[in-house]
Amino acid sequence: EIVLTQSPGTLSLSPGERATLSCRASQSVSSSYLAWYQQKPGQAPRLLIYGASTRATGIPDRFSGSESGTDFTLTISRLEPEDFAVYYCQHYGSSPSLTFGGGTKVDIK
Amino acid sequence: EVQLLESGGGLVQPGGSLRLSCAASEFTFSTSAMSWVRQAPGKGLEWVSALSTNGGATYYADSVKGRFTISRDNSKNTLYLQMNSLRADDTAVYYCAKYNGGAVAGRYLDHWGQGTLVTVSS
Repeated sequence: EIVLTQSPGTLSLSPGERATLSCRASQSVSSSYLAWYQQKPGQAPRLLIYGASTRATGIPDRFSGSESGTDFTLTISRLEPEDFAVYYCQHYGSSPSLTFGGGTKVDIK
Repeated sequence: EVQLLESGGGLVQPGGSLRLSCAASEFTFSTSAMSWVRQAPGKGLEWVSALSTNGGATYYADSVKGRFTISRDNSKNTLYLQMNSLRADDTAVYYCAKYNGGAVAGRYLDHWGQGTLVTVSS
């Protein structure tokens, strides 16, 4: 079973700064099967990125995803006030089960 | 715009049962695989269950296998989760979500409902 480890647990930044969130897989995964979600307090998760780097419909281009081996990165180029939230990575491979990382909270410094 | 509306949550005693529903609209429900994901208070996301477009193939997390049953009624555009033998650690917000297609494997969740809270407590 693949385990996804997200770091840091909390990222404290100011609006306008760049955010870099990490998601490390415990074993090799196809980059085609990695997604990122954003969740604000009291709201459902929202799909941001799928296939490691493809933005979902309506997602601003300040959000980008990349991968290097078993390391996946979500980058927010310039934080907007509405970007302060919790972010989860997710693996959706050949197994029917879905695996989520523990989440990274991006809060206002 | 895709709509997923969960209902059926509430307070239930340990050992009790509850059935959640998820009413779907604004997309072709019968051609989308569906899933339930839960989130315990203050915790992360945990995949619970999924099923295929016709309900013929069902999948469960080990934590709920044998206690929960997922099903769907394509004539009513509704997804269900029957939860039996509930335990305190089943307390969570339960989200209904659709896959980006008709398969379960190799697909991500592209739309989520707002969730319904299940509290298991005496």
